[in-house]
Amino acid sequence: EDKVVQSPLSLVVHEGDTVTLNCSYEVTNFRSLLWYKQEKKAPTFLFMLTSSGIEKKSGRLSSILDKKELSSILNITATQTGDSAIYLCAVEESKSSGDKLTFGTGTRLAVRP
Amino acid sequence: NAGVTQTPKFRVLKTGQSMTLLCAQDMNHEYMYWYRQDPGMGLRLIHYSVGEGTTAKGEVPDGYNVSRLKKQNFLLGLESAAPSQTSVYFCASSSRLASYNEQFFGPGTRLTVL
Repeated sequence: EDKVVQSPLSLVVHEGDTVTLNCSYEVTNFRSLLWYKQEKKAPTFLFMLTSSGIEKKSGRLSSILDKKELSSILNITATQTGDSAIYLCAVEESKSSGDKLTFGTGTRLAVRP
Repeated sequence: NAGVTQTPKFRVLKTGQSMTLLCAQDMNHEYMYWYRQDPGMGLRLIHYSVGEGTTAKGEVPDGYNVSRLKKQNFLLGLESAAPSQTSVYFCASSSRLASYNEQFFGPGTRLTVL
């Protein structure tokens, strides 16, 4: 059975701290891994990663995939209270019936002032 | 563009009642999805559709039915609601032409079944 596991499940830090969120996966026909940020409502897209191993960056956020370890990390430096959210990892597979995403349970990040 | 919209935003049902959740997208996407999100469970796929007139089961399809009569709409039906279906429901869509499956999400529907 396909599986996506995120750790930690929740995390509380203070503003200015650096955090690392983890995502590991066991899926067949891996195509890509996506990170989403979910605040109060709908998840919004952050990054897409492939087996190429290229790091993606956007401001204080960065992410990379380790194809050997079948995992990815999402780093947030100099955290701010606005980074408080649930961070979701999802793995895309190629299937004959249409591409689907398998989501992890998410990491709930709380950044205290 | 409105993106992905969902109606209603909130609903309270009694056990055994039925209802339909509507998802609409104006991005001309081929793929549409219905998820439910429960505490500690992440997003779980209920049903999805790869095109008008086609639907397929996801991870947790029992107790739900769907229809995709028009490309822009994806309906999720609960024929006989149960308390276990209390959840937040998200609809999403994505383009078949995209190089990866970036899904765009609606704002969610919070459903409570008493």
